[in-house]
Formats: sequence, structure tokens, C-alpha cells
Amino acid sequence: DAKTTQPPSMDCAEGRAANLPCNHSTISGNEYVYWYRQIHSQGPQYIIHGLKNNETNEMASLIITEDRKSSTLILPHATLRDTAVYYCIVRSGGDNYGQNFVFGPGTRLSVLP
Amino acid sequence: EPEVTQTPSHQVTQMGQEVILRCVPISNHLYFYWYRQILGQKVEFLVSFYNNEISEKSEIFDDQFSVERPDGSNFTLKIRSTKLEDSAMYFCATVVRGDTQYFGPGTRLTVL
Repeated sequence: DAKTTQPPSMDCAEGRAANLPCNHSTISGNEYVYWYRQIHSQGPQYIIHGLKNNETNEMASLIITEDRKSSTLILPHATLRDTAVYYCIVRSGGDNYGQNFVFGPGTRLSVLP
Repeated sequence: EPEVTQTPSHQVTQMGQEVILRCVPISNHLYFYWYRQILGQKVEFLVSFYNNEISEKSEIFDDQFSVERPDGSNFTLKIRSTKLEDSAMYFCATVVRGDTQYFGPGTRLTVL
């Protein structure tokens, strides 16, 4: 089973920041927080991941609380093309190539015009 | 740019027939994974494959399923005798940087 809890759905106005929360209260010290999204029935798309520090890339920012029990994915200026299901996944990192990702139901983000 | 492509994009088959789904890496990857997603349900892990061997598999990956890398490039998933419940999107994934998996566009399998 997935180790994370996400709201089933969220709306966001186009051009505004989308803040997607994720709870992972049982995360252990060597586990990373990954975010993927899935647009319609396309393959899951990698967004960002982090261990304990906040991370930012060209797609999004990831804010992880100090106790690491929750995190927030921020899309700074949401567009209609960001409408998708967003998955927060906790998984051990490092040289752990064989371990699969366990997907939960995710958050369905609808960006509204 | 996708790291992997998958063929075919859509496969329709009759129940009981064998199907082979293909994953074509863009670069020389070593790690491969297959996932499936039944319509309206979660993405589920099937199997991981490294250095021509299965490294991990789920309960879904029973004797009807097999994987191989026949020519050292393409990575295939074979379903020997398809059932109606095998209808799903099948995604191949590979590792490009660190241990982050990158997914292909998927193959839609429809079993009639």
C-alpha cells in the first residue's frame, strides 16, 4: 500500500499557484519524497523529488516540513496543461534501482480558466 | 524527450492469445520496469529487470507473464494467454539519472 495520503481532488485558477499537500507520517530516514503526475492516460511524468531540503526545478518546488511528515508540491503559475493526477510517493533512494514505485490514487488537479 | 518509447501504442487481441509489448530505450539503459494501469485504477508495479534478470516482481506477475531483452536493446513483456482482466495500459520505465524512473507513453491492451 501507498505510504502517503493526498486529497482526492483540488481546483486551481489558471495563473495562480497550485499547492498540493501530501502526508507521509511514517516516512523513514532514508526515504525520499517523489512527485509524479499523469495527464489523462499518458505515462507518469517525473516532477521532482527530495529527502529533507526544499527543492526547486523548472517544473515545480517541493517543500518538506522539518519533521518530514508532510510535504507540499507547488506549481508556481498553473496552466490548463497542468490539469492531471498528481502522485506523491515515498521510496528509499540511493542505489536502490530495483525498488518499484508504489502509486496511490493521487490528487486530481483541475486548473480552471 | 522521452527516454523510452513503446510499441504498439494500442494492441487489440482475442482472449487466450499471446501478446508481446515492446519497450525501446533511447539510450543504453540497464534497469527496466513494467507497470500496468487498469482503466480508472491505480498504477501497479509488475516487474523490474536488471542485467538480463528479474530483480523484483509483484503478485500480479504470475506464470502468464514473462520479460526478456532478446536483442540487448528492446525490452519485452509477454502475456502468454490473455484474459479479459489483462486489459489495461502497460507502462515501461527506466532509470536515467540517480534512481528516478522515467516512464514511456504506454501501450493500451484491449482483450476481447
